Amino acid sequence: GAVVSQHPSWVICKSGTSVKIECRSLDFQATTMFWYRQFPKQSLMLMATSNEGSKATYEQGVEKDKFLINHASLTLSTLTVTSAHPEDSSFYICSAFRGGDEQFFGPGTRLTVL
Amino acid sequence: QKEVEQNSGPLSVPEGAIASLNCTYSDRVSQSFFWYRQYSGKSPELIMSIYSNGDKEDGRFTAQLNKASQYVSLLIRDSQPSDSATYLCAVNPTGGFKTIFGAGTRLFVKA
Repeated sequence: GAVVSQHPSWVICKSGTSVKIECRSLDFQATTMFWYRQFPKQSLMLMATSNEGSKATYEQGVEKDKFLINHASLTLSTLTVTSAHPEDSSFYICSAFRGGDEQFFGPGTRLTVL
Repeated sequence: QKEVEQNSGPLSVPEGAIASLNCTYSDRVSQSFFWYRQYSGKSPELIMSIYSNGDKEDGRFTAQLNKASQYVSLLIRDSQPSDSATYLCAVNPTGGFKTIFGAGTRLFVKA
């Protein structure tokens, strides 16, 4: 069964608004979670590494003030897309390690910004 | 040079055939290797992990690792149309937590 959940699975919002996406590890604690973005027919792009109790580590070119990450507990990381614009429309996926070094992905959140 | 390279495909095989997917990686000290399957519009799903040279079999899937050649492959026997997806090769260079993903190979299995 699923080990990582995401909510919502899809969201449509107006340009300029903010959207929060939740990522939860199910029945295990994840001190580290990852946020990816994937545009249609393109490969996964790692956006940031979410660390419980500390600041996230962002990949080069990812605006930390636009993509706010909070990892307040061992089972929950949130990604907030602030002042969303149509070019932020994408498939956002989180992942976590459960135990060893196998990475498990959430089902993803499809964001459409009008 | 990309850290994990895959042929983007598409790779097209007839139903029942063996599909062979290949991947090379650049970091010689890499320790852990993974294959993920991603259906269109869905998130990646882990199907195989391999850590030692040689073959590892799981049902219709066989992962092959050759660290000397920095090469990892995935064989899918008796391919089914439901195997049609993008297959992502992933490498964990040092046993740490930052996995490097290839861009994926699209596989089409024709009925």
